[in-house]
Amino acid sequence: AQRVTQPEKLLSVFKGAPVELKCNYSYSGSPELFWYVQYSRQRLQLLLRHISRESIKGFTADLNKGETSFHLKKPFAQEEDSAMYYCALKRKGGKLIFGQGTELSVKP
Amino acid sequence: DTAVSQTPKYLVTQMGNDKSIKCEQNLGHDTMYWYKQDSKKFLKIMFSYNNKELIINETVPNRFSPKSPDKAHLNLHINSLELGDSAVYFCASSQDLETVRSGYTFGSGTRLTVV
Repeated sequence: AQRVTQPEKLLSVFKGAPVELKCNYSYSGSPELFWYVQYSRQRLQLLLRHISRESIKGFTADLNKGETSFHLKKPFAQEEDSAMYYCALKRKGGKLIFGQGTELSVKP
Repeated sequence: DTAVSQTPKYLVTQMGNDKSIKCEQNLGHDTMYWYKQDSKKFLKIMFSYNNKELIINETVPNRFSPKSPDKAHLNLHINSLELGDSAVYFCASSQDLETVRSGYTFGSGTRLTVV
């Protein structure tokens, strides 16, 4: 079954600390993976996609096919990073399957 | 200039009522979606339309009926509202079914509260 798992519902770190939001997936084909961010009561915004291997707002994510993971990392968290983060897998036919979401709280 | 716009932003209504949420995108995308975000922030797809044609219809009660008059619009009509329908409903669009490399563009959501 195609599935996206984010094991942490809440992740709390202090400002300046490294942060890693975990994402594991289950997919039989070549996955297309994304990270979305939702700031408080706002729309979801695309943060990263694995095919572009980009760094946005200091965040990076590497696809590890061996471990079927796509963890989101940032070396130094900022208070404005506090938000809900969703990992998503694109299925054939355009459907995006989202993980359960991880709430990141960055404390001063 | 909003790419995907939903109306209304907030909707409070009584059980048993019928209500509609409208969604419009000005991106020229072929595919539109409805997602439901529940109280635990879990996001689940409800429907997708490609060029006005229904593509995905997840296990959603038939009280929910999407309507796509043209590819720029995907409205959601809900009959006989129940307390459990309270959630935030997000509309989204993508270029087409397969070219989702730029991801979805989401609307700002409609917070539905059924009392």
